[in-house]
Amino acid sequence: EADIYQTPRYLVIGTGKKITLECSQTMGHDKMYWYQQDPGMELHLIHYSYGVNSTEKGDLSSESTVSRIRTEHFPLTLESARPSHTSQYLCASTEGGRSPDTQYFGPGTRLTVL
Amino acid sequence: AQKITQTQPGMFVQEKEAVTLDCTYDTSDPSYGLFWYKQPSSGEMIFLIYQGSYDQQNATEGRYSLNFQKARKSANLVISASQLGDSAMYFCAMRSFSGNTPLVFGKGTRLSVIA
Repeated sequence: EADIYQTPRYLVIGTGKKITLECSQTMGHDKMYWYQQDPGMELHLIHYSYGVNSTEKGDLSSESTVSRIRTEHFPLTLESARPSHTSQYLCASTEGGRSPDTQYFGPGTRLTVL
Repeated sequence: AQKITQTQPGMFVQEKEAVTLDCTYDTSDPSYGLFWYKQPSSGEMIFLIYQGSYDQQNATEGRYSLNFQKARKSANLVISASQLGDSAMYFCAMRSFSGNTPLVFGKGTRLSVIA
């Protein structure tokens, strides 16, 4: 199992605020991912990274941005939060390379924008 | 392009009974992996079981087994002796090993175990 940490676990914030959701992993995994998920619904990949200084947009258009300056850290930033951003955000990582290359998830951040 | 289809939005099962959650996939890649995850109401995603496309035997992990039928492109999850704690969302996912592609998820099946 991988150790992936996300902070905060819960966040309630007003419209227009800038927020950063933190994600870090201690396994030295190269690949990291951010998903957005409404309760009980499908996961949407919004960003991923295959290594330091490498970031890609996922399938779902998102107004968020990410950075990957260090292997273990993959923060997600919303410059101006809106009620439509209310959702759960899940961070994940994989070692990369050999199969099965299982993807492990952090506990998630539940964001509510008022 | 890869695609995962889970046709059962919701399932009910009696405690101690077995249940099968369906998953079909579509890919043109010869080398791929199939994964199942459990998501309880707390929200975390828990890895359950993995099946590789070249694995000769169906994967098993405790009460979980994967009924892999390659020709039919199906990878159904079987949970034996259901427990109340098995009530959760279950997601099927796949990754092609031919390229550097992210995991593709199905829309999930909500399993409810009733006493």
